[in-house]
Amino acid sequence: DSGVTQTPKHLITATGQRVTLRCSPRSGDLSVYWYQQSLDQGLQFLIQYYNGEERAKGNILERFSAQQFPDLHSELNLSSLELGDSALYFCASSVGSGRATDTQYFGPGTRLTVL
Amino acid sequence: AQRVTQPEKLLSVFKGAPVELKCNYSYSGSPELFWYVQYSRQRLQLLLRHISRESIKGFTADLNKGETSFHLKKPFAQEEDSAMYYCALQTGANNLFFGTGTRLTVIP
Repeated sequence: DSGVTQTPKHLITATGQRVTLRCSPRSGDLSVYWYQQSLDQGLQFLIQYYNGEERAKGNILERFSAQQFPDLHSELNLSSLELGDSALYFCASSVGSGRATDTQYFGPGTRLTVL
Repeated sequence: AQRVTQPEKLLSVFKGAPVELKCNYSYSGSPELFWYVQYSRQRLQLLLRHISRESIKGFTADLNKGETSFHLKKPFAQEEDSAMYYCALQTGANNLFFGTGTRLTVIP
């Protein structure tokens, strides 16, 4: 078990709604990364936080936002949901700031279904 | 723009046969490349990274900058190697770009 936890496991909601996904990193890890895995786009990097601050940004929509709290857990907020937002959302964590020597450990994912 | 291409969605080999999972990348900078694996009902996990030049579970991968490739190889496939394999490229901005993955099935 990698130690990264994500809640909830499954989430079903309607278009136009807003949801919050939660991620707790492994003990001691300072970085949290969010990824979206959809059938048509594959696994895409969204955003990284390191020790509470945004470190890197990928293909994250403006309707999406994230933050990392002082206890290092992170939340990904998805608003004005569309059908196309249905996907598996992964969180990963690492000890450092994301260098190539820094291993990312993945959580089990949250499956979001937008109806 | 950076891109990772895994041309094979599915790959089947017999146990004991050699296996090669292909990965090609496109990136103007100095690439950092990785292979991730997801076994059935398990989490995505790092298999190996090119800077370590290591062999993990019998797998190796060599970065070929001339061919912009980072193919994953194993001389003798085992049933427990059956999994989904993802090639990933890390850019200077810490973004990890994943390929679409190859599902490897090792036939007993």
